[in-house]
Amino acid sequence: TQLLEQSPQFLSIQEGENLTVYCNSSSVFSSLQWYRQEPGEGPVLLVTVVTGGEVKKLKRLTFQFGDARKDSSLHITAAQPGDTGLYLCAGARNYGQNFVFGPGTRLSVLP
Amino acid sequence: ETGVTQSPTHLIKTRGQQVTLRCSSQSGHNTVSWYQQALGQGPQFIFQYYREEENGRGNFPPRFSGLQFPNYSSELNVNALELDDSALYLCASSLDPQGYNEQFFGPGTRLTVL
Repeated sequence: TQLLEQSPQFLSIQEGENLTVYCNSSSVFSSLQWYRQEPGEGPVLLVTVVTGGEVKKLKRLTFQFGDARKDSSLHITAAQPGDTGLYLCAGARNYGQNFVFGPGTRLSVLP
Repeated sequence: ETGVTQSPTHLIKTRGQQVTLRCSSQSGHNTVSWYQQALGQGPQFIFQYYREEENGRGNFPPRFSGLQFPNYSSELNVNALELDDSALYLCASSLDPQGYNEQFFGPGTRLTVL
């Protein structure tokens, strides 16, 4: 059983479209991270959220941590082909604990 | 500043063999974590080394072992390889093991067990 579930598993969209991917759990996390992983590379950290209800923006990416700190979403506005990759969320149950990764959402943005 | 490097890039082994994977941490980082990423899955935590000592371990059998050297580089050793050990092995270094310090991942070693 996955501690973190991500949806959708796969997403293929056209350039310029908006999209939202989700990270859900029945557990409460002290913090949650989002990563992007491109083929042949390791994951790269995009953001860390630590406060319930927190919203962070990174250019066209908007990250939200649920009020109950059990879920998170990543919204991309006007997707570009460079956004293509595997989006992973990772949560830590307590401060100092290792982060547990979800299975990821594989995004493909077509030109 | 040199990033995290891993060697080799790819490796093919047969069942029952042993393998050693290597990781050089980013300059100034004293913590290295190892992950196994099976095809279509997220990374699974194997263990972490901090200042040459194991500092946490995931749900992996004892045939997965590691070392960290005084220069903070690290090795992952896997004995008695099984087919299910085929995966991308990632190492990540960070400034220290606590809190929300960013982990910097290497490109991984792709291990195939036949």
